[in-house]
Amino acid sequence: AAGVIQSPRHLIKEKRETATLKCYPIPRHDTVYWYQQGPGQDPQFLISFYEKMQSDKGSIPDRFSAQQFSDYHSELNMSSLELGDSALYFCASRRESQETQYFGPGTRLLVL
Amino acid sequence: GENVEQHPSTLSVQEGDSAVIKCTYSDSASNYFPWYKQELGKRPQLIIDIRSNVGEKKDQRIAVTLNKTAKHFSLHITETQPEDSAVYFCAASRSGGGADGLTFGKGTHLIIQP
Repeated sequence: AAGVIQSPRHLIKEKRETATLKCYPIPRHDTVYWYQQGPGQDPQFLISFYEKMQSDKGSIPDRFSAQQFSDYHSELNMSSLELGDSALYFCASRRESQETQYFGPGTRLLVL
Repeated sequence: GENVEQHPSTLSVQEGDSAVIKCTYSDSASNYFPWYKQELGKRPQLIIDIRSNVGEKKDQRIAVTLNKTAKHFSLHITETQPEDSAVYFCAASRSGGGADGLTFGKGTHLIIQP
């Protein structure tokens, strides 16, 4: 079965640089979520989109923005990167009629 | 906002014994409670979930119970096996009509001793 696809899988950036993470949801899933997971921590909800509109907002820094496109894929844009942004970033997708969120493999971001 | 507390943070059990992990939540509007298993460096994977209109749900060796009045829910794993070793997260959210994000507990590191 098709799963959530995230790219890139690994990313190394310098402080103050920008990064763009991409998420391709499971086919026919119309809702996308972004989570940040620091080492040894629980996933923290950042932001979600339903039918290309922002739906819920969590602890997303002002330096980050995201959007969902017409093909339902989503991108998380991160600017002015800080050392503390180093984490695993997960995208999850869901079908509107169901509740289960399916997580992608994650993008590991390292900020040096 | 929602706050989910999870205990214990580490749980070590003998292979074949049962394991119980407990969570409490604060937002009475939360109505969806999934449990995820996460192995080191991997994605969280759903193992079972429960909605607020149900008190208990079972899937083979795994069961979840929910007490809405007390705002707590628990994960029960019976006949534990070495492959059950992982970090388990409980979570809560409001479901239906929106795309509310999950609020996770801090996780329980489950260690199955052979």
